[in-house]
Amino acid sequence: NAGVTQTPKFQVLKTGQSMTLQCAQDMNHNSMYWYRQDPGMGLRLIYYSASEGTTDKGEVPNGYNVSRLNKREFSLRLESAAPSQTSVYFCASRKDLVVEQFFGPGTRLTVL
Amino acid sequence: KNQVEQSPQSLIILEGKNCTLQCNYTVSPFSNLRWYKQDTGRGPVSLTIMTFSENTKSNGRYTATLDADTKQSSLHITASQLSDSASYICVVSDHGTASKLTFGTGTRLQVTL
Repeated sequence: NAGVTQTPKFQVLKTGQSMTLQCAQDMNHNSMYWYRQDPGMGLRLIYYSASEGTTDKGEVPNGYNVSRLNKREFSLRLESAAPSQTSVYFCASRKDLVVEQFFGPGTRLTVL
Repeated sequence: KNQVEQSPQSLIILEGKNCTLQCNYTVSPFSNLRWYKQDTGRGPVSLTIMTFSENTKSNGRYTATLDADTKQSSLHITASQLSDSASYICVVSDHGTASKLTFGTGTRLQVTL
């Protein structure tokens, strides 16, 4: 099992450009999450999906959209990137009735 | 507002020594507390998860304690190894569904020869 995978690992964008961060899990988990991690701050939840076809906003959803394409895949889209979105983005997944979340390796995004 | 505070921010110890990391939280109602290890350039990996009724839990050389009355937790690392160099993050959940977590900023541990 690969667990949670994320692509790309690194990305540099110019202000105003758009891009989609991809996440996939092979553990048959229903719940998936997108977080961002900034220096000096704890991880913050952007969006989550409790099951295929459902998504909900987290703590910092502004400037982002998500798609739960199927049970395996949960993508995060930046429509018009801003320097404030420079961060490391983590995807995570969780099995129903189990509290533990499994994290991917992260995508380091820089917006110039 | 729910908060998780960790101390120290960073720590350097010699290989083979023990260390203790602290976590204080103001999350209510409390569901569970987790400790994660995050290697540089990697995602967090779970070390322990404790509920209200558990006051100690071990995972190899890692032992976590929880005092739900004072809202404090600690992570003790015994006989440290170079591979223990990482950030250690305390995370508290206020819902059983685990969909809403409050993350601490982490303690950066460096183990040296």
